[in-house]
Amino acid sequence: EAGVTQFPSHSVIEKGQTVTLRCDPISGHDNLYWYRRVMGKEIKFLLHFVKESKQDESGMPNNRFLAERTGGTYSTLKVQPAELEDSGVYFCASSQTGGFNTEAFFGQGTRLTVV
Amino acid sequence: DAKTTQPPSMDCAEGRAANLPCNHSTISGNEYVYWYRQIHSQGPQYIIHGLKNNETNEMASLIITEDRKSSTLILPHATLRDTAVYYCIVRASSYAGGTSYGKLTFGQGTILTVHP
Repeated sequence: EAGVTQFPSHSVIEKGQTVTLRCDPISGHDNLYWYRRVMGKEIKFLLHFVKESKQDESGMPNNRFLAERTGGTYSTLKVQPAELEDSGVYFCASSQTGGFNTEAFFGQGTRLTVV
Repeated sequence: DAKTTQPPSMDCAEGRAANLPCNHSTISGNEYVYWYRQIHSQGPQYIIHGLKNNETNEMASLIITEDRKSSTLILPHATLRDTAVYYCIVRASSYAGGTSYGKLTFGQGTILTVHP
C-alpha cells in the first residue's frame, strides 16, 4: 500500500513567486493534515481536512496560504506570494475515519526555500 | 502550545533499552498520549499511543503512570537506526458526525542518540 506522497520533494523559488505543494494521502483516508517546520522551530499544525471540507484551519499563518482538497482526494497548498519566512519543510499527513485516535501517517515533506 | 515536557537529549548504547520519559501533568480524561519520532530529513513516524493502560507493539512499549501525569516510551533493544527526535504528544480527540479529529501539537522532543 502506498504511503502519503508529496510533490515536489524540494522547491526553490524567488520571493514574490507562487508555489503549489501537493499531497496524495493514503487511499481511503478522509482526514488530511498539513504541518510545517520553519528553520529552528517546532513542527506546527496548519490545517485539517475531512474529505473536502476544512475542519480546522486555525494554524494557517495568513491569507497568502490557500489549501484545497477538491473531491476529497489529493490536496494542494498554494503560497502566493511567497516570502522569505515561508521557507521550511511542509508535511502532509492522513488518517482514517472511525474510531478514536487512529494514527496519522506522514509524507516525506516538501522542502521549500524562498530566496 | 505543547502540553508535554521531555528532556532535550538522551544517549543509549546499542542493544540496550532506551527509556524516554515524558511529563504531561495537565492531561485531561479524554486525551491520549502519542509518541512519534522523526529520523533526519524524513517525515514523523508513528510509534505507539495509549490512554491509561500500558501498551506494546512491534516497535516499543508505552508505560503510563496510574495518575496519567507521565509516561515512558521504551525501545527494548535500541539500534543505531533508532537515532532520532522522539516526540511525546497529548492529543485532543473529539467526535463529530463519526469522524475522529485531533491535530498533533509537537514540542521540541528528545534527541535520542544511539551509539555503538
